[in-house]
Amino acid sequence: AQSVTQPDARVTVSEGASLQLRCKYSSSVTPYLFWYVQYPRQGLQLLLKYYSGDPVVQGVNGFEAEFSKSNSSFHLRKASVHWSDSAVYFCAGLNNYAQGLTFGLGTRVSVFP
Amino acid sequence: NSKVIQTPRYLVKGQGQKAKMRCIPEKGHPVVFWYQQNKNNEFKFLINFQNQEVLQQIDMTEKRFSAECPSNSPCSLEIQSSEAGDSALYLCASSPGQANTEVFFGKGTRLTVV
Repeated sequence: AQSVTQPDARVTVSEGASLQLRCKYSSSVTPYLFWYVQYPRQGLQLLLKYYSGDPVVQGVNGFEAEFSKSNSSFHLRKASVHWSDSAVYFCAGLNNYAQGLTFGLGTRVSVFP
Repeated sequence: NSKVIQTPRYLVKGQGQKAKMRCIPEKGHPVVFWYQQNKNNEFKFLINFQNQEVLQQIDMTEKRFSAECPSNSPCSLEIQSSEAGDSALYLCASSPGQANTEVFFGKGTRLTVV
């Protein structure tokens, strides 16, 4: 992707509430799209990916994301968050290996009891 | 869970010193990436390899950074003369290749240049 934007730097939710994290991409072609999560002092863990086909993709730990070509978006959702979901979430796009992944600046999610 | 192994987890160097970090990609993954993540969560692509050959690298990498991915040995990223601005989390990632574009990351090496 040429650019990836995550408009929300921080999101605070109560445990048990739903969560949506926004991601918009800008690219001349639809890139492969990913959501990663980063816990403190950890690397990036892949939550889910979109290549083509069904615009709603299921990931790990109850996460899902919906791709929209018309909106150039790939928003992440979870129906009911747990305190352990507190982390930084990154949206990323990949056009080809030579360019590598393009990341958004991340959204820090804080889940309160 | 990712099986990309990065060592060391933490590295402290003085300005002007060499800093070297290593990465063992997941078995069977021919594509390897190095990224720099700064404290503002900005990711900078540094270099990537496919089967030991460099696919792409940025200008910064060409000047003070060197990297290699020899066969049957860990990949490595070395900063020849560390600067304060190099303090960051260095992430290695590997991928199975074109047929499957999943990219898996290691836990990173956090470099602090004092």
